[in-house]
Amino acid sequence: GQQLNQSPQSMFIQEGEDVSMNCTSSSIFNTWLWYKQDPGEGPVLLIALYKAGELTSNGRLTAQFGITRKDSFLNISASIPSDVGIYFCAGQLGRTGANSKLTFGKGITLSVRP
Amino acid sequence: NAGVTQTPKFRVLKTGQSMTLLCAQDMNHEYMYWYRQDPGMGLRLIHYSVGEGTTAKGEVPDGYNVSRLKKQNFLLGLESAAPSQTSVYFCASRPTGHINQPQHFGDGTRLSIL
Repeated sequence: GQQLNQSPQSMFIQEGEDVSMNCTSSSIFNTWLWYKQDPGEGPVLLIALYKAGELTSNGRLTAQFGITRKDSFLNISASIPSDVGIYFCAGQLGRTGANSKLTFGKGITLSVRP
Repeated sequence: NAGVTQTPKFRVLKTGQSMTLLCAQDMNHEYMYWYRQDPGMGLRLIHYSVGEGTTAKGEVPDGYNVSRLKKQNFLLGLESAAPSQTSVYFCASRPTGHINQPQHFGDGTRLSIL
């Protein structure tokens, strides 16, 4: 089946630093999504990307949908302690039924040192 | 402002016991999903539903059954719990499968099978 690759599993950065996360796939997706999960809670959508090449920002977050439709990246600028959490990428192939399912990456745990 | 509500939040079962996890959404969403999350594995789709009365298998359906008798509720059943089913279970819903209608997640049910 389809798989999304996120690495490394954990990242440690200093408060104020920028961080970039990548997500790659062996097959194409038509939608790329980035979620954040805080401890004890469900994933919350950060950014959704719908078009190859699209670059979208949400505050300090910027994400891009790769031209090949097989990758995406998320950038967090000027990190703060509340950025700590697990960041998941997810891809969706189509609109209806089975193609509307999301495939998730394994997630990257981000730690921010004050 | 409830969104997606999962019941219970925590449960401990003995091997062989059965139980049902309830997911309720008050947003009139058509599509609902059940995922399990294990350390380092991301979220894996168990079963999903594209409307009242319909269900379909996801990536890891074995050992689980689901029902969607009412549009707002999606039930996940474990007929004979096994230790391998120890996990955090997340429910999600979305209006339809359209690409610009992302999934909304509940806060999870933490299930331990002894």
